Amino acid sequence: RKEVEQDPGPFNVPEGATVAFNCTYSNSASQSFFWYRQDCRKEPKLLMSVYSSGNEDGRFTAQLNRASQYISLLIRDSKLSDSATYLCVVSFMDTGRRALTFGSGTRLQVQP
Amino acid sequence: ETGVTQSPTHLIKTRGQQVTLRCSSQSGHNTVSWYQQALGQGPQFIFQYYREEENGRGNFPPRFSGLQFPNYSSELNVNALELDDSALYLCASSLSTGGSLAKNIQYFGAGTRLSVL
Repeated sequence: RKEVEQDPGPFNVPEGATVAFNCTYSNSASQSFFWYRQDCRKEPKLLMSVYSSGNEDGRFTAQLNRASQYISLLIRDSKLSDSATYLCVVSFMDTGRRALTFGSGTRLQVQP
Repeated sequence: ETGVTQSPTHLIKTRGQQVTLRCSSQSGHNTVSWYQQALGQGPQFIFQYYREEENGRGNFPPRFSGLQFPNYSSELNVNALELDDSALYLCASSLSTGGSLAKNIQYFGAGTRLSVL
């Protein structure tokens, strides 16, 4: 079983749609949670951190459920520029280091 | 831009050769992590360097090695290249403060795309 699992998609949605991505993680000791965005053939870029209370940044809302080991990302009013791969990322402190464990990513294609 | 720079951007090698990839971390950052991203996959953790010492390693063989220099820049070396080593190699820098509440957000360079023929 992968440590971080995501639906690979692709999710094809029209502009203005609301789309939700889900992610599960297996390591209950995970301490920090993030969503990264990766454009084709580019590096991953931090979209937002995910906090236990849930958090929002403009059109983006992230939720964390520690009991179910589940993370979600909601994008409202999708724009063409939101087309990218969204990577669910968890990290945990292990002998002093904090490495990131990535899911394989969910591809989003927003269509006009 | 993240301020993390990697070189070269692209590289073509043949099986059995050795390669060195370089990374300059963001100003003020003291930790560098290296990741391998195969096509269609998420990045996989190779190792991390903090204060010039290896500070954790993923599931990669010893022919993957690294260095961190006093200015916190870093190198990734791969010996005896195999076809499966073809991937995007990403460097990420972060600031480790040692505190348990440190979010340790990592910022990525644009990567080096390695092709092994």
